[in-house]
Amino acid sequence: DAKTTQPPSMDCAEGRAANLPCNHSTISGNEYVYWYRQIHSQGPQYIIHGLKNNETNEMASLIITEDRKSSTLILPHATLRDTAVYYCIVDTGNQFYFGTGTSLTVIP
Amino acid sequence: DGGITQSPKYLFRKEGQNVTLSCEQNLNHDAMYWYRQDPGQGLRLIYYSQIVNDFQKGDIAEGYSVSREKKESFPLTVTSAQKNPTAFYLCASSYRDLGRNEQFFGPGTRLTVL
Repeated sequence: DAKTTQPPSMDCAEGRAANLPCNHSTISGNEYVYWYRQIHSQGPQYIIHGLKNNETNEMASLIITEDRKSSTLILPHATLRDTAVYYCIVDTGNQFYFGTGTSLTVIP
Repeated sequence: DGGITQSPKYLFRKEGQNVTLSCEQNLNHDAMYWYRQDPGQGLRLIYYSQIVNDFQKGDIAEGYSVSREKKESFPLTVTSAQKNPTAFYLCASSYRDLGRNEQFFGPGTRLTVL
């Protein structure tokens, strides 16, 4: 059973905010949500992670709902270099559970 | 330069041969991981190790073996028992603090079995 569910693909206009949703309805209380992205045939790159509070760093913001059953990754000003597959991941403490990811295409 | 390296980047083998993929890290991480990725899919965990001389099976360990004799190294052997070994293999490492489990990934090895 998949621990995370994401839409398979999304488009975003360059310069606009990209909002990538993720459902993780079976997440346990001490399991973290991580987001990574992967450009074709490279290793995934860390973006951000959180437990229950919203988080922000230089790359993105992470909004986690109060019931922790879903989250949204926000790229505030998407550029062409943000075109990639974005993975929402549940960390059980022992291992990461990857979903199938969202392929984000940033359009000029 | 600190990081995680995998070699080779591309690997070709004949069916029925065992092959070992290398993974080395100089980040002083305790934990190391091996993932398999098939086209259009997410990463699936093969094996992980949280400490030297100890490792655990992931979700798809059948047909694979690992060793962890040194903290820096976690080689993966794809055996002839693995029915469909052609895939992209990724190694990662991390600290082991809850909430600080960010995994750093290597560049991957693309294995093709002919």
